[in-house]
Amino acid sequence: ELKVEQNPLFLSMQEGKNYTIYCNYSTTSDRLYWYRQDPGKSLESLFVLLSNGAVKQEGRLMASLDTKARLSTLHITAAVHDLSATYFCAAGGAGSYQLTFGKGTKLSVIP
Amino acid sequence: NAGVTQTPKFRVLKTGQSMTLLCAQDMNHEYMYWYRQDPGMGLRLIHYSVGEGTTAKGEVPDGYNVSRLKKQNFLLGLESAAPSQTSVYFCASNDRVQETQYFGPGTRLLVL
Repeated sequence: ELKVEQNPLFLSMQEGKNYTIYCNYSTTSDRLYWYRQDPGKSLESLFVLLSNGAVKQEGRLMASLDTKARLSTLHITAAVHDLSATYFCAAGGAGSYQLTFGKGTKLSVIP
Repeated sequence: NAGVTQTPKFRVLKTGQSMTLLCAQDMNHEYMYWYRQDPGMGLRLIHYSVGEGTTAKGEVPDGYNVSRLKKQNFLLGLESAAPSQTSVYFCASNDRVQETQYFGPGTRLLVL
């Protein structure tokens, strides 16, 4: 059974600082996703990572995947208030249609 | 394109009542999914469908049934609602397993 663990679950950051959210998964996965959710809203796709060593960047966010360590990271550079949201990672088991989500990291960026 | 839409947006039920949640997508996607989201639990897969006329159980299927009679629609049914089914329900779809899933706006359900 695929398990996905995110940490930290809560993160309070000052504007302008850098930080990393970690996503570990327990068994072989062939795909890893990052989503953003604003309060009371739906999930918005941020990144799709499909191979070992994959790195994707969009603005102040960068995601990477290390399949050997079963680890994905979401790095935040020079945080701004607009990045305040809950971030989820989700992994898909090899050969499975299903995604398993982490519990989410609630990020608050404070001035 | 409206993308993925869900009906209704919000519903209050009494214990034992039944209801159907409707998910519709206009992207001609093959795969559709129903999740529930509870505080501190992330999203958990209830049922999914890999094509018209097919359905399969996810992680938490008990108390729910689904149907996919048309490719664009995926229905989630609660035959006898229980307070434990109070949650936010999200539908999602995609066209290939490796593609990101596109989520609907959600249905907030309260069972009293």
